Amino acid sequence: EAQVTQNPRYLITVTGKKLTVTCSQNMNHEYMSWYRQDPGLGLRQIYYSMNVEVTDKGDVPEGYKVSRKEKRNFPLILESPSPNQTSLYFCASSLLGDRMSGANVLTFGAGSRLTVL
Amino acid sequence: KQEVTQIPAALSVPEGENLVLNCSFTDSAIYNLQWFRQDPGKGLTSLLLIQSSQREQTSGRLNASLDKSSGRSTLYIAASQPGDSATYLCAVRAGNTPLVFGKGTRLSVIA
Repeated sequence: EAQVTQNPRYLITVTGKKLTVTCSQNMNHEYMSWYRQDPGLGLRQIYYSMNVEVTDKGDVPEGYKVSRKEKRNFPLILESPSPNQTSLYFCASSLLGDRMSGANVLTFGAGSRLTVL
Repeated sequence: KQEVTQIPAALSVPEGENLVLNCSFTDSAIYNLQWFRQDPGKGLTSLLLIQSSQREQTSGRLNASLDKSSGRSTLYIAASQPGDSATYLCAVRAGNTPLVFGKGTRLSVIA
């Protein structure tokens, strides 16, 4: 089944304890992206990647890091989490870089709910 | 900066009604517009994608229209069912910017 898989789905952690949220897709998509969703603010893009070893900042990259060493994986790293990073996180992928093509459809993961105490 | 607005924020209708969800955007120079559905606690599912050169797209009971010049899109749902209850989001791709999402319309279809 074609899908985007995120882990963990739920995580409670404490301020300053490094964590990684993994994202993997099995559709051979070039484009991958991370979003966070907060009440009243909607979905905001954190980072995106057009292909292996190519990453760029979205609207809200502060406090996050990403890497794209393999095409299928795009982990989100919080080096020193803070309470304002408590949110629902989504990974998404598409066949072509969605900034350039008019024909992309984003496939989303099920989401990772992160709480930072 | 592109802004996307969805009205109403919430909508409750009886089963069987036809309904329209609205999406407006400030920058009309878009590449495409997508409508998504989000169930509580779940990810987003793409429903329809309209390219900038298209006026509408249809999938089953769903029909999405696009009027670039006025910066508007509508999602028409025919013969609504309780299973249509979800939050519906629109998102636009415009120029060299990230995909911009509206905050969604929360739809409840009452049996």
